[in-house]
Amino acid sequence: AQSVTQPDIHITVSEGASLELRCNYSYGATPYLFWYVQSPGQGLQLLLKYFSGDTLVQGIKGFEAEFKRSQSSFNLRKPSVHWSDAAEYFCAVGAGGADGLTFGKGTHLIIQP
Amino acid sequence: EAQVTQNPRYLITVTGKKLTVTCSQNMNHEYMSWYRQDPGLGLRQIYYSMNVEVTDKGDVPEGYKVSRKEKRNFPLILESPSPNQTSLYFCASSLVSGGPQMEQYFGPGTRLTVT
Repeated sequence: AQSVTQPDIHITVSEGASLELRCNYSYGATPYLFWYVQSPGQGLQLLLKYFSGDTLVQGIKGFEAEFKRSQSSFNLRKPSVHWSDAAEYFCAVGAGGADGLTFGKGTHLIIQP
Repeated sequence: EAQVTQNPRYLITVTGKKLTVTCSQNMNHEYMSWYRQDPGLGLRQIYYSMNVEVTDKGDVPEGYKVSRKEKRNFPLILESPSPNQTSLYFCASSLVSGGPQMEQYFGPGTRLTVT
């Protein structure tokens, strides 16, 4: 069965600084990988996804993520964060089976002025 | 507008009083799923459905029921709610369960409190 680990429960970043959120997955084959964002009081919104091909994928809101098979990682990055990026971020992996996606426990991003 | 809707958004109830949370999607998606979100535990899948009349248990199905009589609707039923079911619930749907179109679209959530 697949699993996802987000090592950082909370991350604090100054506005304008760069951001990297870590995600490690466990799965035997090439997985389908996703990052979602949950703003306060909202549902989850898809930021980006990886299926195959280029290991660097671009998403919405200026986010990107890089798939590294050798490290079983799919880290999310943004060059310059804005106060509106404060939210909960979830990494998810899908194996393509009936049970859909497996989510990490999330990283809470705090933006300092 | 393509969306997943849930009702109600907020619900406070008492132990043992049956309740239903509705979920509907207008994207003709085959796959639908229910999750609960609890602090420090992330999202855990309760039940999922591959298509009409096809449902199966997720990771935490105890105390819940679902049905899928129509493609667009996937209600979550709590026959006898207990305080440990106090949580934030999300319904999600995707075109298919696997492959390049498996990304899930989420509803806005239902905050349930059982006293």
